[in-house]
Amino acid sequence: GQNIDQPTEMTATEGAIVQINCTYQTSGFNGLFWYQQHAGEAPTFLSYNVLDGLEEKGRFSSFLSRSKGYSYLLLKELQMKDSASYLCAVGKESGAGSYQLTFGKGTKLSVIP
Amino acid sequence: DTGVSQDPRHKITKRGQNVTFRCDPISEHNRLYWYRQTLGQGPEFLTYFQNEAQLEKSRLLSDRFSAERPKGSFSTLEIQRTEQGDSAMYLCASSPTPRTSYGDTQYFGPGTRLTVL
Repeated sequence: GQNIDQPTEMTATEGAIVQINCTYQTSGFNGLFWYQQHAGEAPTFLSYNVLDGLEEKGRFSSFLSRSKGYSYLLLKELQMKDSASYLCAVGKESGAGSYQLTFGKGTKLSVIP
Repeated sequence: DTGVSQDPRHKITKRGQNVTFRCDPISEHNRLYWYRQTLGQGPEFLTYFQNEAQLEKSRLLSDRFSAERPKGSFSTLEIQRTEQGDSAMYLCASSPTPRTSYGDTQYFGPGTRLTVL
């Protein structure tokens, strides 16, 4: 089975740095994704890690440790528009050839002035 | 290409009615996925198409649900005899054939929000 845990809510100040953690226990692993989802909108791809280490993309970075079943998303220079839910998802190839994403419940980030 | 599109964006129906949603993936993406998302939860996988073949279905997909992708391009998801528990956001995502042995990024459409009264 798949078990993905991330904090339910976080609050951070505009201009600051925030780290959103994700731990997972899965029966298969082919990569970890982070998506951003504003209320009422579709998830938008942010980052993808398949090997251990840090991937940096502008203000966003994501880290993965496969041995620990752990990832985090780091957001720097927070802006008000970063207020959204952040979804951690584990990818797994199934026997039928699909690449399924199993999502956590998401972390609702509120950025305050 | 403007991304994955879904129609309608919102649907309100009465219990017992049938509804059908449409998804147009990014052109040239041969993989198409349907997910369902309820409030406070992440999306849950429903079914997967590679071209026109439906290769996988979740146990969440009851007999009242059927999905098609007749020409390997757009897809439809039909729910028969809707129940209040079907109320959710139905998301479609597409991805190209992975370039490596690892998976590839799925791009989501805006979703269809279904409300069953």
